[in-house]
Amino acid sequence: GAGVSQTPSNKVTEKGKYVELRCDPISGHTALYWYRQSLGQGPEFLIYFQGTGAADDSGLPNDRFFAVRPEGSVSTLKIQRTERGDSAVYLCASSLTPQYNEQFFGPGTRLTVL
Amino acid sequence: GDSVTQMEGPVTLSEEAFLTINCTYTATGYPSLFWYVQYPGEGLQLLLKATKADDKGSNKGFEATYRKETTSFHLEKGSVQVSDSAVYFCALSTNSGNTPLVFGKGTRLSVIA
Repeated sequence: GAGVSQTPSNKVTEKGKYVELRCDPISGHTALYWYRQSLGQGPEFLIYFQGTGAADDSGLPNDRFFAVRPEGSVSTLKIQRTERGDSAVYLCASSLTPQYNEQFFGPGTRLTVL
Repeated sequence: GDSVTQMEGPVTLSEEAFLTINCTYTATGYPSLFWYVQYPGEGLQLLLKATKADDKGSNKGFEATYRKETTSFHLEKGSVQVSDSAVYFCALSTNSGNTPLVFGKGTRLSVIA
C-alpha cells in the first residue's frame, strides 16, 4: 500500500516568506508526527496529532510555526516569516495508534530559506 | 529530559567486517528502543526495536539488545555488506501513549568492497 507522502519534496523560499508543507499519512493511521532534521543531526520532534487535535506541540520552536490536521488525515505545517535558520528537512511520520509505537516516515521536504 | 547518545561517525568498514554502533539513553520510566536506518536518497525506515529490558530486536542480520542495567541498545552485525552503507539512528519513545521519538544524532556507515 501507499506509504507516507510529503509535498513538495524541495522548497526554496526567501527570508520573510510564508511556506506550507503537506503530509499525507498512511490511510487509517490516527497518529501523525512532524519532525525537523538539520544537517548532521537526528530528527527533532515538533508536533504530534491524535486525530484532528494537536496532542503535543511542545517541540514547535516559536509561534511562527503552526500545524493543522482538520479532517484527521492530511496535515499541513505552516511557517510564517521564514528565517535562514529554518532551513532543514521536515519529516512527517504516522502510526496506527500512538500506543503501537512504530512510526512510518515520509521522504521529507527539504526547505531552503535564502 | 529524555535523550539518546550514539557514537560519532563516520564509520568505514571493509565488507564482511563486524559492526558495532554504540547507543546509550537517558529516560524516565521504561522506554521502547529503536534503530532506524536512512539509505542514500531514501526516508527513515525502522530497522529493529525492543520494548522491554533484555529483549533482542533483530532484522536483516542486525541485532540489538535492550540493556536496562547499562541503559544501552548497541547495534551489531556480524558481517556487513556494501548495501548496508547508510546512516543509522538510535531512538527511544516513552510508553506513555504520547510517544514522539527522541533520536540520537546518527552514525554514518560506509562499507567498502
